[in-house]
Amino acid sequence: NAGVTQTPKFQVLKTGQSMTLQCAQDMNHEYMSWYRQDPGMGLRLIHYSVGAGITDQGEVPNGYNVSRSTTEDFPLRLLSAAPSQTSVYFCASSWTPRGEGYTFGSGTRLTVV
Amino acid sequence: SQQGEEDPQALSIQEGENATMNCSYKTSINNLQWYRQNSGRGLVHLILIRSNEREKHSGRLRVTLDTSKKSSSLLITASRAADTASYFCARGGAGGTSYGKLTFGQGTILTVHP
Repeated sequence: NAGVTQTPKFQVLKTGQSMTLQCAQDMNHEYMSWYRQDPGMGLRLIHYSVGAGITDQGEVPNGYNVSRSTTEDFPLRLLSAAPSQTSVYFCASSWTPRGEGYTFGSGTRLTVV
Repeated sequence: SQQGEEDPQALSIQEGENATMNCSYKTSINNLQWYRQNSGRGLVHLILIRSNEREKHSGRLRVTLDTSKKSSSLLITASRAADTASYFCARGGAGGTSYGKLTFGQGTILTVHP
């Protein structure tokens, strides 16, 4: 089925560990984003990409890295996990530069202990 | 933060009633979108209204936008128990470094009782 696929769905990390959250879309969308969702905070933009090779920071980029080597994939790397990064992470993609009608993945629930 | 405000934070109604949620924002926008999130799931795009539009309809959904007041509202008519979810407004940035980015509000939790 066409859409945005995130893996893993759940992950528990120890403080200081690193990991990569995977995101792939098969809709040939140029625009992709990573958000984190925390209770009472809504969704906050972490990083953003307008196409292969081009990324930009969002509202809360510290502690995260991204790269976009292909149109389909947009992985999010946690460099050294901290308890403050416990959250639900969503990847989303859109075909328009105006951010219209983003398609969201089902999320990755990350716990850092 | 560029996040605006959504109100109410929670809304509880009976099936058949209408539900109205409001969204205010602070910066210029290109468009405003509404998303629904069922518990434990990703967000689903419901409707988009552009900055040069004032009202838009989609099925039981009606969205209005007042750019002079920097506010929008989402009306769900004849609500159903299946409408129970969190609803988020998201502002599409107007230009510069905001172009293409979405800024979300904190959401309204809607509960529709059968």
